[in-house]
Amino acid sequence: KAGVTQTPRYLIKTRGQQVTLSCSPISGHRSVSWYQQTPGQGLQFLFEYFSETQRNKGNFPGRFSGRQFSNSRSEMNVSTLELGDSALYLCASSQGPSERPSYNEQFFGPGTRLTVL
Amino acid sequence: AQSVTQLDSHVSVSEGTPVLLRCNYSSSYSPSLFWYVQHPNKGLQLLLKYTSAATLVKGINGFEAEFKKSETSFHLTKPSAHMSDAAEYFCVVSDRYTGNQFYFGTGTSLTVIP
Repeated sequence: KAGVTQTPRYLIKTRGQQVTLSCSPISGHRSVSWYQQTPGQGLQFLFEYFSETQRNKGNFPGRFSGRQFSNSRSEMNVSTLELGDSALYLCASSQGPSERPSYNEQFFGPGTRLTVL
Repeated sequence: AQSVTQLDSHVSVSEGTPVLLRCNYSSSYSPSLFWYVQHPNKGLQLLLKYTSAATLVKGINGFEAEFKKSETSFHLTKPSAHMSDAAEYFCVVSDRYTGNQFYFGTGTSLTVIP
């Protein structure tokens, strides 16, 4: 099975712009989670989508949004970029919420490195 | 509330010596626990997981971890460090009462000295 893929891998934007990042989960996985990783804050949970619905949300401003399509692919969007949004954005997929712990194991993509100038 | 504390932000060992990365967790219910490794500029790779089966869990690359409920710990060990083990390690807790959301520790940076 192919792993989680994220595009693009690297992105440079300027303040005030917006950006869209894409994530394709492992085939058969229906849950996609997004994380922001920075040296200062570590790994922070952004949101999780399951069956096209946002199931969990972290503590980020409304400039950060996401969506999931019927094929489970997901996008996240950041509007009005700020310098502090420079980070590695990681996507993870899992089979989905279940009583079976194995269904909740998350598989991570390589990330998108966003630099805001 | 669920949380993870990684007790050491940096660990340095000599090649061939044992590795111990410490993790304590807090969970309201029977947790699932994971260790992930991240090499520079890469995504996270699962090393091992505990999901209420055997308390001693073996993972990839010779790593293992023991779930100790009485101590709320899930420390990661390896008998003999290799240069390729140098990376960032993250301990993660989740449980079904929080919708299986992952809670990450702050990470431990492992340096292996030749």
